[in-house]
Amino acid sequence: GIQVEQSPPDLILQEGANSTLRCNFSDSVNNLQWFHQNPWGQLINLFYIPSGTKQNGRLSATTVATERYSLLYISSSQTTDSGVYFCAVNLMNNNAGNMLTFGGGTRLMVKP
Amino acid sequence: DSGVTQTPKHLITATGQRVTLRCSPRSGDLSVYWYQQSLDQGLQFLIQYYNGEERAKGNILERFSAQQFPDLHSELNLSSLELGDSALYFCASSVALRTEAFFGQGTRLTVV
Repeated sequence: GIQVEQSPPDLILQEGANSTLRCNFSDSVNNLQWFHQNPWGQLINLFYIPSGTKQNGRLSATTVATERYSLLYISSSQTTDSGVYFCAVNLMNNNAGNMLTFGGGTRLMVKP
Repeated sequence: DSGVTQTPKHLITATGQRVTLRCSPRSGDLSVYWYQQSLDQGLQFLIQYYNGEERAKGNILERFSAQQFPDLHSELNLSSLELGDSALYFCASSVALRTEAFFGQGTRLTVV
């Protein structure tokens, strides 16, 4: 099956710092989503970004589908950004539906 | 709030028992997915329904079953529970087969 690798696995930032999280995937995809899992376990949608670039406030994401990777940028980090960030993809040839395969996540801690 | 509602939020039960987890998708969404998040396996796709029909199966155990009802809500039944079934179970929904998926807050199952 498709492999999804995220890096770094762990990241500690000082409040106000910027960071880049990476997601590599092993096959062509028709869907890529970024999620933030907060300390209460909720999975919050950040971006639906099978290709191109999107921005939402301090967060932005870029997916280069031809090179099979996506990047999530966090600028001016805040303590509320702490949690685990997941990348999830659906195979291009999967006609059944949106079976997301998740990466292992990046655990982010933002210190005040 | 994603609009996907899961009940109950927490469930503690004994080994060998059977439980039912319930999910109400976002208004208008026809597709429902179930995922399991455990410490050792990460987030894994279990099963997908679209407009009442099963569309895809992932790593779902034979002791587990699910269905989607005519009003589009879904239930995941877990039977003959084992300690290793302790996990966070997520339901997600999407409008169509391969569109953005939105996750509920999860049901935390503890088997003792």
